[in-house]
Amino acid sequence: EPEVTQTPSHQVTQMGQEVILRCVPISNHLYFYWYRQILGQKVEFLVSFYNNEISEKSEIFDDQFSVERPDGSNFTLKIRSTKLEDSAMYFCAIGTDSTDTQYFGPGTRLTVL
Amino acid sequence: GESVGLHLPTLSVQEGDNSIINCAYSNSASDYFIWYKQESGKGPQFIIDIRSNMDKRQGQRVTVLLNKTVKHLSLQIAATQPGDSAVYFCAEKIGNTGFQKLVFGTGTRLLVSP
Repeated sequence: EPEVTQTPSHQVTQMGQEVILRCVPISNHLYFYWYRQILGQKVEFLVSFYNNEISEKSEIFDDQFSVERPDGSNFTLKIRSTKLEDSAMYFCAIGTDSTDTQYFGPGTRLTVL
Repeated sequence: GESVGLHLPTLSVQEGDNSIINCAYSNSASDYFIWYKQESGKGPQFIIDIRSNMDKRQGQRVTVLLNKTVKHLSLQIAATQPGDSAVYFCAEKIGNTGFQKLVFGTGTRLLVSP
């Protein structure tokens, strides 16, 4: 199973602050995804990313969110101005092609105060 | 304010029993399904998958059954162990081409007693 790491494991921030969550796939993957899970709820799709551009995004992924893969390795999710309701676990997932299984990282717990 | 989480259905079994976890999916066009296991504080862990051209697929101690007629998916775990205690999610891939997102079900909590 492909290995994915995410940093930080826990991020605490003040409302209105910017946060950057990072995903580091260990092996070579082409397809990247971000999902989030509010405490006690199901996992929700945010965005998919391929070849340095967004391929699909959900309604949750509004103008406050952005993704990039600046150095060809790390895959980042940025929230420009965090809100209380952004508090959740954020999971990065990777795939080798668009029809392959998605493997999830351990997640970043974001707490917005 | 504090968000209220979904009430997860819970399946409680004894160690050694066989467990069956069920899932109803929504999109008849979905052609790929995955079961994930999520332990507390961790990310979803891949268990087994099945494509829509199959009815059954077996892994190590796990079997997935797919009934496309009624849009139902089940995960069977043989000889359940305490380490199997977790929340189990089914997920369907939505989309025919390109980058298929996963849509997760609400999950079932499996509790295994020694």
